[in-house]
Amino acid sequence: GAGVSQSPSNKVTEKGKDVELRCDPISGHTALYWYRQRLGQGLEFLIYFQGNSAPDKSGLPSDRFSAERTGESVSTLTIQRTQQEDSAVYLCASKGQFANTGELFFGEGSRLTVL
Amino acid sequence: AQSVTQLGSHVSVSEGALVLLRCNYSSSVPPYLFWYVQYPNQGLQLLLKYTSAATLVKGINGFEAEFKKSETSFHLTKPSAHMSDAAEYFCAVSLNNAGNMLTFGGGTRLMVKP
Repeated sequence: GAGVSQSPSNKVTEKGKDVELRCDPISGHTALYWYRQRLGQGLEFLIYFQGNSAPDKSGLPSDRFSAERTGESVSTLTIQRTQQEDSAVYLCASKGQFANTGELFFGEGSRLTVL
Repeated sequence: AQSVTQLGSHVSVSEGALVLLRCNYSSSVPPYLFWYVQYPNQGLQLLLKYTSAATLVKGINGFEAEFKKSETSFHLTKPSAHMSDAAEYFCAVSLNNAGNMLTFGGGTRLMVKP
């Protein structure tokens, strides 16, 4: 697509429910990132996919968080048994294989509210 | 290890006034530095980047930033603010030019008064 697409744009859920957030990267982009942005705070790295390599999961805050990516396409971030502290905007970004500018292309984010 | 500190979570300027958004970094190796901008209801987009080629970097929309190693700073400036500059600005540091592992600052929200 023309840009990084994320869905849903807004999600309100009850504590303890599972949620799935989806990211469609720019076509052909091999790298895909998930970040979390809590209210009034900076972006917090969650996970990074690069091609067929094993993902860098070092930023995932707990085992309730997981993410998958099929090949170089869509990625899904899953949060199980959501907690109120999971409320945040979840941002996805992608980057082309030969891009060496450090320019990540971001989606508009998925705003998650856990009641 | 690397980190970024943005002084001032909110900055307010009058239209036509100088914009100065502060960013200080900490890095164990020569860093690559970036400024991203997030306009309301949009995703982040790259404003400019420093990759050691020149200490004064010019970006889009009249913004520029100067890398000062002695001060470990990479402040963002614009001579004359425009209403359309109202947005949130993020400074980020990476240990490589590819920016594979960007560490972001907390962000500064710029408000422009008419």
